[in-house]
Order: sequence, then C-alpha cells, then structure tokens
Amino acid sequence: RKEVEQDPGPFNVPEGATVAFNCTYSNSASQSFFWYRQDCRKEPKLLMSVYSSGNEDGRFTAQLNRASQYISLLIRDSKLSDSATYLCVVNRGGTALIFGKGTTLSVSS
Amino acid sequence: DADVTQTPRNRITKTGKRIMLECSQTKGHDRMYWYRQDPGLGLRLIYYSFDVKDINKGEISDGYSVSRQAQAKFSLSLESAIPNQTALYFCATMGENTGELFFGEGSRLTVL
Repeated sequence: RKEVEQDPGPFNVPEGATVAFNCTYSNSASQSFFWYRQDCRKEPKLLMSVYSSGNEDGRFTAQLNRASQYISLLIRDSKLSDSATYLCVVNRGGTALIFGKGTTLSVSS
Repeated sequence: DADVTQTPRNRITKTGKRIMLECSQTKGHDRMYWYRQDPGLGLRLIYYSFDVKDINKGEISDGYSVSRQAQAKFSLSLESAIPNQTALYFCATMGENTGELFFGEGSRLTVL
C-alpha cells in the first residue's frame, strides 16, 4: 500500500459546483498535512495546511481525521481557474514530505 | 527573480552521459530536496539535505548522487544517464517554521 493515496480522477465539474477530494495515509506517526496545487507543467504550490480542527480559506475547506488517517479538501463554487491537479502531502517527521499522486480537477463553463 | 532557481530548465542527452542539474535558493533555508515527477507516479523523493553536512537518500536514490556545496546550492547528478531517468525534476526548499515546500520551476530531462 502506498503511503499516501488519492483518487486520481479526473473530476469534471461545471462552474459553481462543489467538489471534494479525499486522501488516506498509512503511517500513523505522520505529523503534518498539506494540500498543494499544481498547474500543468508548473511547480507545485502550497494551497493550504490541514489542521486537526479543520480549516477554511475562502472557498476551500480542509479536514483531517487522525483516527481514520484521512484528509479531505472541499472546494465550493468552483471556478474555471480551479482546474489543476491537487496533491495531498504528508510529513511523517524527521524526513521530507511524501506526496500523493494527485487528483485532477477540470472545471468547465 | 525566483527564490528557487534550477538550471538547466530543459535538457536532452544520450544514454551513458553524465548530467548535473543545479539548484540555488535565496530563501535562506537549510532544508533542500530533489524530487522527480513522472506521469501517473506523482512526485518521488530522490535526496534531501537538512544542512551542508547532512545528506539523506530518499525513496528512489539509485542512479543519482547529490552535492550540497553551500547552504544555497544543492546539485543533482546522474553519473550515467539511462532512458528511464527521463522525467521532470524539481528542487525545493523548506521553511522550518511552516513546513512549506518552495519549488523551483523544474528541469525537464530527456535521455535518449
């Protein structure tokens, strides 16, 4: 089993839709969690960190469930500019960040 | 100017050639990383360094070596390139307080 797993999609949604991505991780010692966004042929960039209490940044909400070793990202009112690949990232401490393979989102008008 | 700069951005080479990918950063971070990205496989860690004297192998270090010449510079070498090393390579630094990775724009390597 891969350490970080995501549904690769693609998710094809219309503008204005709400879409949710899920991610599971296998190492219970993982300490911190992130969602990164990657546009085609570009470098990944941090979208948001994920906290146990859940956190929200505008239209984006991230949740962490440590008991189930599960992370989620919810995007409300999708925009065309949200089309990208979303990477779930886990830091198990002492080493580097481990990336999921990414979930591709395509928002259409 | 970019905070993390990679050179070259694109390179085509032949099997058996030695290739060096260079990375420099102006963020003052101690932690630096090399990842490769392949379609369908995501980003995989090759090597990482927490300071000039600390080099660590990642999950796919075979066929690669690194050098941390200074806090700001971390280079990746392929001693004898092979076609399955064709990939997009990213260098990154990490801010210790936030854990956020800052990536260079990537180096696209093609080995024929």
